[in-house]
Amino acid sequence: EPEVTQTPSHQVTQMGQEVILRCVPISNHLYFYWYRQILGQKVEFLVSFYNNEISEKSEIFDDQFSVERPDGSNFTLKIRSTKLEDSAMYFCASSSGGGDQPQHFGDGTRLSIL
Amino acid sequence: TQLLEQSPQFLSIQEGENLTVYCNSSSVFSSLQWYRQEPGEGPVLLVTVVTGGEVKKLKRLTFQFGDARKDSSLHITAAQPGDTGLYLCAGARWNGNKLVFGAGTILRVKS
Repeated sequence: EPEVTQTPSHQVTQMGQEVILRCVPISNHLYFYWYRQILGQKVEFLVSFYNNEISEKSEIFDDQFSVERPDGSNFTLKIRSTKLEDSAMYFCASSSGGGDQPQHFGDGTRLSIL
Repeated sequence: TQLLEQSPQFLSIQEGENLTVYCNSSSVFSSLQWYRQEPGEGPVLLVTVVTGGEVKKLKRLTFQFGDARKDSSLHITAAQPGDTGLYLCAGARWNGNKLVFGAGTILRVKS
């Protein structure tokens, strides 16, 4: 069964450094998402992406964050200058359509900021 | 702010027992998705309920969407140790694509 893959599985970065998290969504999906889960807290929406542009973003997704689909298969999340509070599990998801179409998640990247 | 409240937060039962997990909100959702998450892995989709009053079955799991589209339940019949895990509900709105997640229910089924 097709799946969403994320790399790396664990990223350790010094505070203030840039980090790029990578995702390969399911190949025929058109909508892409990033969520994060801080340890012990709920999964939170960050951003959705469709037709090569951001369709929705949360208040968490400030100017330090950006997303890109650099080619036909990858979807990336960049954090420009990481802070301690960016430490979390970051999940990528994709869906074939918007709205009620089910979102399929990758296994996440654990980001640890030192 | 849309909130989804899940209950109970933690459930420990014996193999063979039945259980129900609840997901409630004061907001209306266009659909609700149920996921199961294992440690170190991402949420795995179990089912999507779309129509108010809808009931879907997945083997021993029964999912129901409330008539008013504000609540949902997951009922497991004759629970098995393999059902152990974190169960998450997540709601979608008509005017957007984001999912709003509940805090999850940790289920432990003892043999």
